Amino acid sequence: AQKITQTQPGMFVQEKEAVTLDCTYDTSDQSYGLFWYKQPSSGEMIFLIYQGSYDEQNATEGRYSLNFQKARKSANLVISASQLGDSAMYFCAMRRGYQKVAFGTGTKLQVIP
Amino acid sequence: GAGVSQSPSNKVTEKGKDVELRCDPISGHTALYWYRQSLGQGLEFLIYFQGNSAPDKSGLPSDRFSAERTGGSVSTLTIQRTQQEDSAVYLCASSLEGGKETQYFGPGTRLLVL
Repeated sequence: AQKITQTQPGMFVQEKEAVTLDCTYDTSDQSYGLFWYKQPSSGEMIFLIYQGSYDEQNATEGRYSLNFQKARKSANLVISASQLGDSAMYFCAMRRGYQKVAFGTGTKLQVIP
Repeated sequence: GAGVSQSPSNKVTEKGKDVELRCDPISGHTALYWYRQSLGQGLEFLIYFQGNSAPDKSGLPSDRFSAERTGGSVSTLTIQRTQQEDSAVYLCASSLEGGKETQYFGPGTRLLVL
């Protein structure tokens, strides 16, 4: 079984500061993919960033970067220079092969002006 | 191109009635997923389609839930004899085979069972 854990139900960050959202996972597989999604209050799920288990470099997409520590089974999302529009729920997810994707319970991020 | 679309966007029904939720994936995406998200909760996997077949139905919560996909495109999730605990947002996502297989989500159907 695969399991995703997000231990921070809620986070606050000052505008323009960086913030790290934690995610740990549990799997015995060697090949898997890790994703982060953003869900604003509108409800849509927005893909942010992807990390493959065999990728040697940490993934980056604009202000988003994924701090991938394979031995520790962690895949933390780092958002640099936070903006008010970053306030949302953030979900970490893991996919094994073509099978179902397991999601964490999410972290609610609030950016303070 | 167009993203994943879902209909209806909102559905209010009475307990015991059947409902059908529709998902139209991104053209060319062979994989399709259904999830359920209850208020304030994470996503609960329901079912996954590869083409028209569903190799993984393990997430369907009961035999009142069923899903089908025709022509490798549109999918319908059917809930029979709805119960109040079925109230949730039902999200559909699709992805390409191979590569990063990022899932692209639709806007969801908000189901309320009275």
